[in-house]
Amino acid sequence: KAGVTQTPRYLIKTRGQQVTLSCSPISGHRSVSWYQQTPGQGLQFLFEYFSETQRNKGNFPGRFSGRQFSNSRSEMNVSTLELGDSALYLCASSSGTGWGNEQFFGPGTRLTVL
Amino acid sequence: DQQVKQNSPSLSVQEGRISILNCDYTNSMFDYFLWYKKYPAEGPTFLISISSIKDKNEDGRFTVFLNKSAKHLSLHIVPSQPGDSAVYFCAASGTGTASKLTFGTGTRLQVTL
Repeated sequence: KAGVTQTPRYLIKTRGQQVTLSCSPISGHRSVSWYQQTPGQGLQFLFEYFSETQRNKGNFPGRFSGRQFSNSRSEMNVSTLELGDSALYLCASSSGTGWGNEQFFGPGTRLTVL
Repeated sequence: DQQVKQNSPSLSVQEGRISILNCDYTNSMFDYFLWYKKYPAEGPTFLISISSIKDKNEDGRFTVFLNKSAKHLSLHIVPSQPGDSAVYFCAASGTGTASKLTFGTGTRLQVTL
């Protein structure tokens, strides 16, 4: 089975711009979660999508949004970029059903905001 | 408020010996715990998990122990190998939010020859 893929792998933007990141989950997985990793805050949960609906949400401002398509692929959008948004953005997929289903992570997108 | 804590930022162990990584949590609603391993520039790789109804789970060289009363879990790696050198994260999730993982800050394990 192919793993979780994320595109692009690296991105450089300037303050005020917006960015869209893409994630393709493992085939058959219906849940996609997004995380932000920074040196200061560690890995923090952004949101989860399951069957095209946002099912869980973390404590991030409304500038961070996402969506999921019928094929379970997901996109994450960050508008009005700030310097503090520079981070590794990881997406993870899981079956999304059952108790304690394990999440499998992609390689991440490294976003640098100048 | 750090709900999942890994108090040791780093650990160095000799090859062949046991590595013990520790994790504490504060949220009593957590009922599923996972360990991930992460290399630089890669996403975390799932290692092993344990549900709150168990106190031990074993998979090859990796064993996770859960002490619910102490809100403490540990990952044992026996024997440690140089390829185990990485950052290890423990993570937790609660009922109804299985796909929302709360991560610890990580412990960097260095296995020396």
